[in-house]
Amino acid sequence: KAGVTQTPRYLIKTRGQQVTLSCSPISGHRSVSWYQQTPGQGLQFLFEYFSETQRNKGNFPGRFSGRQFSNSRSEMNVSTLELGDSALYLCASSSQGAQNGELFFGEGSRLTVL
Amino acid sequence: GENVEQHPSTLSVQEGDSAVIKCTYSDSASNYFPWYKQELGKGPQLIIDIRSNVGEKKDQRIAVTLNKTAKHFSLHITETQPEDSAVYFCAASGGSYIPTFGRGTSLIVHP
Repeated sequence: KAGVTQTPRYLIKTRGQQVTLSCSPISGHRSVSWYQQTPGQGLQFLFEYFSETQRNKGNFPGRFSGRQFSNSRSEMNVSTLELGDSALYLCASSSQGAQNGELFFGEGSRLTVL
Repeated sequence: GENVEQHPSTLSVQEGDSAVIKCTYSDSASNYFPWYKQELGKGPQLIIDIRSNVGEKKDQRIAVTLNKTAKHFSLHITETQPEDSAVYFCAASGGSYIPTFGRGTSLIVHP
């Protein structure tokens, strides 16, 4: 069974640009959640999508957005990038939902903002 | 919201020793407590989890204990091996509560 796939793995952007990250969940999983990982703040929940609907949202500004397609693949977008957005962005899929069951993480997309 | 504290931030042990990592949480409504292991360059992977209706769970060399009254849970690794070296994260969630993670513990097992 294929795991969670995230693309791209690495990217470099400059301040003010926008970025779109992609996540393909494990087949059959309808929940996809996104996390920001930084050395200072640890792993922080961004949002969760379940069957194309945003189910929960963390405490991040509106520059961070996402969506989920009918095949459960998900994208997250960050607009007007700031230096502080440099981080590893992880997505995770789950059959039960992010709150109640095991999360299967991808290897992440490492974003560097210059 | 939920707040999860994790200690220690770094733990260094000799191969064969035991390692214990502790987490506390603030919201008594949380009912699912997973532990994840993250190796360098990889995403976190679940190693064990416990739900609030259970006090202890064991899987070979790994065990987790939960004290609901004190709102803390711990990860115990016995007979540590060099391949146990990684960053370990605890988390608390459940019901409508989004997953909240501890800051992580870097475990170093010296051969």
